[in-house]
Amino acid sequence: KNEVEQSPQNLTAQEGEFITINCSYSVGISALHWLQQHPGGGIVSLFMLSSGKKKHGRLIATINIQEKHSSLHITASHPRDSAVYICALEGAGGTSYGKLTFGQGTILTVHP
Amino acid sequence: ETGVTQTPRHLVMGMTNKKSLKCEQHLGHNAMYWYKQSAKKPLELMFVYNFKEQTENNSVPSRFSPECPNSSHLFLHLHTLQPEDSALYLCASSQLGMNTEAFFGQGTRLTVV
Repeated sequence: KNEVEQSPQNLTAQEGEFITINCSYSVGISALHWLQQHPGGGIVSLFMLSSGKKKHGRLIATINIQEKHSSLHITASHPRDSAVYICALEGAGGTSYGKLTFGQGTILTVHP
Repeated sequence: ETGVTQTPRHLVMGMTNKKSLKCEQHLGHNAMYWYKQSAKKPLELMFVYNFKEQTENNSVPSRFSPECPNSSHLFLHLHTLQPEDSALYLCASSQLGMNTEAFFGQGTRLTVV
């Protein structure tokens, strides 16, 4: 079993819909990252969470440390949100800080 | 613009060639990373440099040789690669100990022929 599992793997939505992407993990972490990768390949960091909830514009990320689960929500989705969304775990303790273990990504397509 | 610049963006090389990938960060971070993204596979950590010292080599074959001459620059030297090494190679930087996010470059799309 992978240390980090994302669902769904593919997600198609109509513009304006509320979107949720889930990430479950099985190891201790110091933080969880949500990343966005556009077709050109570059990756942008959206959130880094160690507890609770964060919000940037239309994006909301939550994490439940006890349940080892995080969600990324997009409100009022737009075609420009189409991208791959990646959950990544940052290790806990010693030399594990900074090192990321990645989920397989969720391919999101938002149609006009 | 993330503050992390990778060159070249695209590279095609033969199996007997030697080439280098370059990464530069303008963020004052103390850690830099090389990641590999193969088709239909999650990103994989290759190397970590912390204050210019290599702290992680994630079982990477010796045909990949990293170099970190200072905290702002990171290279990945490539020689006698195999076609299965074709992938997107991403560089990232972060400030360890400050609980901050990682910043990624745009990546180098490498094709080995």
